[in-house]
Amino acid sequence: TQLLEQSPQFLSIQEGENLTVYCNSSSVFSSLQWYRQEPGEGPVLLVTVVTGGEVKKLKRLTFQFGDARKDSSLHITAAQTGDTGLYLCAGEDYKLSFGAGTTVTVRA
Amino acid sequence: DARVTQTPRHKVTEMGQEVTMRCQPILGHNTVFWYRQTMMQGLELLAYFRNRAPLDDSGMPKDRFSAEMPDATLATLKIQPSEPRDSAVYFCASGSLQGDAYFGPGTRLTVT
Repeated sequence: TQLLEQSPQFLSIQEGENLTVYCNSSSVFSSLQWYRQEPGEGPVLLVTVVTGGEVKKLKRLTFQFGDARKDSSLHITAAQTGDTGLYLCAGEDYKLSFGAGTTVTVRA
Repeated sequence: DARVTQTPRHKVTEMGQEVTMRCQPILGHNTVFWYRQTMMQGLELLAYFRNRAPLDDSGMPKDRFSAEMPDATLATLKIQPSEPRDSAVYFCASGSLQGDAYFGPGTRLTVT
């Protein structure tokens, strides 16, 4: 059983469209992190959110941490083919626990 | 450009053999994680060190797996004896007190 539930499991969209990926848990975390992983490589840290209600923007990516620090979302505006990958959320409560991930495919 | 290094990148071995994976964390990072990734289970935490001391290895099968940090520049994960179900990609990650994790490229292990 995953401590963090990610949805959807798979997402396929056309280049230029927007997408949102969700990460939910019944546990409260000190911080929540988002990673992107490409085939054959390790996950790469995108952002860390710490404060409930926090919103962080990284170019076309917007990350939000829920008020109760149990859930988070990742929104990508005008997706590009380079955004294709496995998006993982991870909650920190002295150790890092990962969700199963959302596989995002952006078609040209 | 500081990064975590792992060796070997690929390992194919027969059931029953010993496997040792090595990791060099980013200089100055005081936290080291070992994760295993499979299609079925995703990323599972095996062991976690802070300042070279093991804090949590509850995710690791103790009868066959062992993790150590002989010094601040080297972390090892050993499997003895290896079994086919150990086939996976093993990642090492290092981090700071902020709780973030920077992953290495992984070791792809195949046990036949």
